[in-house]
Amino acid sequence: ELQLVESGGVLVHPGGSVTLSCAASGFTFRGHRMTWVRQAPGKGLEWVATIKQDGSVKDFVDSVKGRFTISRDNAKNSTYLQMNSLRVEDTAVYYCARDGSDDWYFDVWGRGTLVAVS
Amino acid sequence: QPVLTQSPSASASLGASVKLTCTLSSGHSTNAIAWHQQQPGRGPRFLMKLNSDGSHDKGDGIPDRFSGSSSGAERYLTISSLQSEDEADYYCQTWGTGFRVFGGGTKLTVL
Repeated sequence: ELQLVESGGVLVHPGGSVTLSCAASGFTFRGHRMTWVRQAPGKGLEWVATIKQDGSVKDFVDSVKGRFTISRDNAKNSTYLQMNSLRVEDTAVYYCARDGSDDWYFDVWGRGTLVAVS
Repeated sequence: QPVLTQSPSASASLGASVKLTCTLSSGHSTNAIAWHQQQPGRGPRFLMKLNSDGSHDKGDGIPDRFSGSSSGAERYLTISSLQSEDEADYYCQTWGTGFRVFGGGTKLTVL
């Protein structure tokens, strides 16, 4: 069964740091780009970051550039989102998602983990 | 990069059909998109990838009631024989080198 399981969500003060983890199973992890998407309370979906299969390319939404880092460990079938200098507006449910094999849409989603900055 | 525009809300009766629209901004009318469903309190679910010619590839287990079509810069999601569990938020998404972008979402109410 294809599965993505996020962990690491927490309540943190502004200026603090958090690292989220996403464990993948049921597919060839190293064959897919991996992405983090967030959803602020009562709001829509917002793309945050994507990492290429070998980790050589990392893309970020402008609002998190310089503060967030994305990484992956293909041996552990996991991807990570390190979030520094957190702001109140970073409060959201963070979802891990898999990019499709043939294009850059998200074809598998996790259930999300909540990061609250307050 | 493209902007995706969706109506904030839509409604239709149980058993009826509804057509949701996602409009690509000028200069991006040939972009493919994806449709995602988010039921209340749950994470998103991939429905389909929809190309500019209307061809589409659905995710595993997505019922035949869900279909996609395209016309110019507009991308459509049609849901037929509406069921109560179809009440959800529906998001379109597109992509390019260095970015991914979502539409604002349409909240579908099943009456």
